[in-house]
Amino acid sequence: SQQGEEDPQALSIQEGENATMNCSYKTSINNLQWYRQNSGRGLVHLILIRSNEREKHSGRLRVTLDTSKKSSSLLITASRAADTASYFCATDNQAGTALIFGKGTTLSVSS
Amino acid sequence: ETGVTQTPRHLVMGMTNKKSLKCEQHLGHNAMYWYKQSAKKPLELMFVYSLEERVENNSVPSRFSPECPNSSHLFLHLHTLQPEDSALYLCASSQVVRGGTDTQYFGPGTRLTVL
Repeated sequence: SQQGEEDPQALSIQEGENATMNCSYKTSINNLQWYRQNSGRGLVHLILIRSNEREKHSGRLRVTLDTSKKSSSLLITASRAADTASYFCATDNQAGTALIFGKGTTLSVSS
Repeated sequence: ETGVTQTPRHLVMGMTNKKSLKCEQHLGHNAMYWYKQSAKKPLELMFVYSLEERVENNSVPSRFSPECPNSSHLFLHLHTLQPEDSALYLCASSQVVRGGTDTQYFGPGTRLTVL
């Protein structure tokens, strides 16, 4: 299946530090998306990067995409306690009808 | 508030019960989805409705039965569930576009416990 795999599974940092999460996938994609989930809640879309883009920014978020390595990274700069959540990457399924999510990275930011 | 609502937010049911989960989107989207999220497992896609027609059913057991009466509403009918069906059930909607799957907007989920 075209499942994204996030790395690391868990990450603990101090407020103010940067957090980097990685995602690898298996087959060609049209786009790759990152989502965030607070404990027991729905997912919130963070950013979408298309296959012809290499880097995208949104506030304190920076996403890169390397289609030759089939990988993406999400960087959160100057992290805050409120960034504590699980982060998921998602890619298209082969039919282009839905997203396939990875297992996620659980980020814990302590003050 | 994402524009996707789900009811109920919490549900406890016995294995012999019949219940339904409801999802409503106020975003004018033309595709809706049901996902299951169990502890320590990735989100599992259950059903996809695009333009009110089911286009994907990922081998979900027949005790789960979806219904999409129109582009704004999606139901998941539950009957004779098993304890392992306890999970967070998430609904999402999106606009079907060419060139890939667009941003999905998720509801807050229904936490289901099967006794």
